Amino acid sequence: DAMVIQNPRYQVTQFGKPVTLSCSQTLNHNVMYWYQQKSSQAPKLLFHYYDKDFNNEADTPDNFQSRRPNTSFCFLDIRSPGLGDAAMYLCATSADQGVDTEAFFGQGTRLTVV
Amino acid sequence: QKEVEQNSGPLSVPEGAIASLNCTYSDRGSQSFFWYRQYSGKSPELIMSIYSNGDKEDGRFTAQLNKASQYVSLLIRDSQPSDSATYLCAVTGKLIFGQGTTLQVKP
Repeated sequence: DAMVIQNPRYQVTQFGKPVTLSCSQTLNHNVMYWYQQKSSQAPKLLFHYYDKDFNNEADTPDNFQSRRPNTSFCFLDIRSPGLGDAAMYLCATSADQGVDTEAFFGQGTRLTVV
Repeated sequence: QKEVEQNSGPLSVPEGAIASLNCTYSDRGSQSFFWYRQYSGKSPELIMSIYSNGDKEDGRFTAQLNKASQYVSLLIRDSQPSDSATYLCAVTGKLIFGQGTTLQVKP
């Protein structure tokens, strides 16, 4: 059974129209990560939560926001998507951030901006 | 300087050969490291983790860590065409990835 679930798998949105991607987990993990991955590039960390503590990467655009209403769910909001935001968005979870703590990935949401 | 650096490749090896993938990191305080494999269009999947200096073996895979040199490597013995993928090195903590090395195993 899938432990980290991302919805939808594919999302098409219009230029400038707000869009929300969701991630849920059944692992009860403390940490949830959001990554952006463009074609032929490595996953780029946007932000992560440790429990309720939000940690934004310095180079994450303000256009990207996140919410974690409870342990199980985390959302990525793109306030005004541009063509450059088209990418695969990956959610991952881990029990904590200590030594040898494995991260589990969802299947990703592929975002297309038209 | 990037936190984690890898050669992007592609690295091409013949079937049955040993593939050697390398990674360096900048934060001397980093404690542990992961190697993930990612097939095109799929999510990363964990291959191995390592946090002690030296070698760690799991089947055909061996991870090597040298904290003094801030260097991590992954060896794949008896490479198979199914090993063709992008291999991502990651530092634990914030789980930052290197740019990945694309491996091509030719039959």
